[in-house]
Amino acid sequence: DTAVSQTPKYLVTQMGNDKSIKCEQNLGHDTMYWYKQDSKKFLKIMFSYNNKELIINETVPNRFSPKSPDKAHLNLHINSLELGDSAVYFCASSQVKGGKNSPLHFGNGTRLTVT
Amino acid sequence: KNEVEQSPQNLTAQEGEFITINCSYSVGISALHWLQQHPGGGIVSLFMLSSGKKKHGRLIATINIQEKHSSLHITASHPRDSAVYICAVRGNSGGSNYKLTFGKGTLLTVNP
Repeated sequence: DTAVSQTPKYLVTQMGNDKSIKCEQNLGHDTMYWYKQDSKKFLKIMFSYNNKELIINETVPNRFSPKSPDKAHLNLHINSLELGDSAVYFCASSQVKGGKNSPLHFGNGTRLTVT
Repeated sequence: KNEVEQSPQNLTAQEGEFITINCSYSVGISALHWLQQHPGGGIVSLFMLSSGKKKHGRLIATINIQEKHSSLHITASHPRDSAVYICAVRGNSGGSNYKLTFGKGTLLTVNP
């Protein structure tokens, strides 16, 4: 039973294309996230959604559009892909209750390579 | 300067050694996380703590809120502990409660 699942695991595409990464969690969490890990392994928040509402948009280009159809899903669509978008993208989820967060559960990551 | 600083960046140890990884942060936090990432692998949450000390098997995490400092200790290290260990903090105000700010990670290699 995978708690947070992302697809695809690998994505190779050419500059200018549009692609999507899907994320689903079966933990019943109300908050989901997208993180980007660059070539130096540094992780950075991109988006955070709580109960399908966008909470954090951390200066991400508007070519990146997250969509949360329900609390269990947070998909990431990327338009007009650029070389600099090559990275590993991690989805995660947690439960926020009374202002306090539970530990995060991460997906296995999607390695995006733009050529 | 990153809001979260880890040291050392790289650490090589012999099997059985006691290991300490340090994390200092400069912002107010509601919680601090220690994460583990094996090469080419996913990210696993080891600890989430806001005060004191937590222990799980051979791993111990401590935090000193006044000094804005946390340590991750591994006792009787083993080659399977080889991984990147990442410190991350969660803010304590408004939207910052909904994001983690990460350190750059410590690459630990434990040799047999």
